[in-house]
Amino acid sequence: ELKVEQNPLFLSMQEGKNYTIYCNYSTTSDRLYWYRQDPGKSLESLFVLLSNGAVKQEGRLMASLDTKARLSTLHITAAVHDLSATYFCAVGMDSNYQLIWGAGTKLIIKP
Amino acid sequence: GAVVSQHPSRVICKSGTSVKIECRSLDFQATTMFWYRQFPKQSLMLMATSNEGSKATYEQGVEKDKFLINHASLTLSTLTVTSAHPEDSSFYICSALRGSSEQYFGPGTRLTVT
Repeated sequence: ELKVEQNPLFLSMQEGKNYTIYCNYSTTSDRLYWYRQDPGKSLESLFVLLSNGAVKQEGRLMASLDTKARLSTLHITAAVHDLSATYFCAVGMDSNYQLIWGAGTKLIIKP
Repeated sequence: GAVVSQHPSRVICKSGTSVKIECRSLDFQATTMFWYRQFPKQSLMLMATSNEGSKATYEQGVEKDKFLINHASLTLSTLTVTSAHPEDSSFYICSALRGSSEQYFGPGTRLTVT
């Protein structure tokens, strides 16, 4: 059974700091997704990582994938308040198109 | 980018009534759509996979007679919550699969059963 573990589940940080959210998964997959969710809203796709060593960056967010370690990271650089949200990672199942979801990381960035 | 709509965005209904939620892919065809529910401060829980022209595949523990799914066309899937009860109150999110690797999510429907 594929399991996805995210940590931390809650993160409160000051503006201007750097931090990393980790996403570990338990079995082979080469599709890893990061989403952002604002309160009361649906999901916004941030990154799709499809190969080992993939690295993608958008603004202050950078995501990477290590399929050998079964680990993805979402790195936040010089955080700003607007990045406050809940971030989910999800892993694609090879046998179908389903996604297995992490529990989410609630990120609060204080001015 | 791909756009998925959901309707209604919010609905309040009385206990015992049925509610239909629509999910549409606006600019692409989707053979496969997914229905999720999300409780406050929790992750998404997959309810079922909706396949155009065939029966939906329900996840373990999801009552197929209570949550009726119809995927009648390549751009529309509907979820009907039958005989709704307060415990069915939740945030329901659909997604549509484009190609083989990416799901595009609708804006969600907040259901409140009184």
